[in-house]
Amino acid sequence: AQSVAQPEDQVNVAEGNPLTVKCTYSVSGNPYLFWYVQYPNRGLQFLLKYITGDNLVKGSYGFEAEFNKSQTSFHLKKPSALVSDSALYFCAVRDRIYNNDMRFGAGTRLTVKP
Amino acid sequence: DGGITQSPKYLFRKEGQNVTLSCEQNLNHDAMYWYRQDPGQGLRLIYYSQIVNDFQKGDIAEGYSVSREKKESFPLTVTSAQKNPTAFYLCASSMGAWDRAATGELFFGEGSRLTVL
Repeated sequence: AQSVAQPEDQVNVAEGNPLTVKCTYSVSGNPYLFWYVQYPNRGLQFLLKYITGDNLVKGSYGFEAEFNKSQTSFHLKKPSALVSDSALYFCAVRDRIYNNDMRFGAGTRLTVKP
Repeated sequence: DGGITQSPKYLFRKEGQNVTLSCEQNLNHDAMYWYRQDPGQGLRLIYYSQIVNDFQKGDIAEGYSVSREKKESFPLTVTSAQKNPTAFYLCASSMGAWDRAATGELFFGEGSRLTVL
């Protein structure tokens, strides 16, 4: 069975500074990793995914994530944070591309202060 | 525009009443899902369906029921047997397992917030 951990409930950064939202995973086979963002009272929006290939994945809104197999991590990063990036971020994993069992982390609330 | 529509956005229910949440998608996706979101707990899978007239229980199916009579529709009924139904409910869809173009991500609706009075 697969699982995801987001070790930080809350991340605070100043606008213009780089941001990192951490995610570690556990999966028996090859991992398929995803990041989603959620704004208040809204659904989840897909940001980016790692399926195979280059360990650095680029996604929407300037976000990127680095897959590290040895550390079983998939941290979300952005070089320069915006106030509008403030939201709830979820990491998710599945062990097959069409496996119905997609597991989500508990979420990390990112606050970017002006 | 293609997407997933959930309704109603807000719903209030008295204890002992059943309520049905609607989920409609026009993405031509075969697979559909219902998740429950509680603060600090992430998303938990209630039910999923890979094809019309078929659905499977997720981790927290007790007190819920679904149907999948049409490809584009996957309604969720929260029954009176659900002991703590107050939550934010999210519907999602994805390409099916047999679709060679499948890339794995889920597409979510805007959610329905259910409050039991």
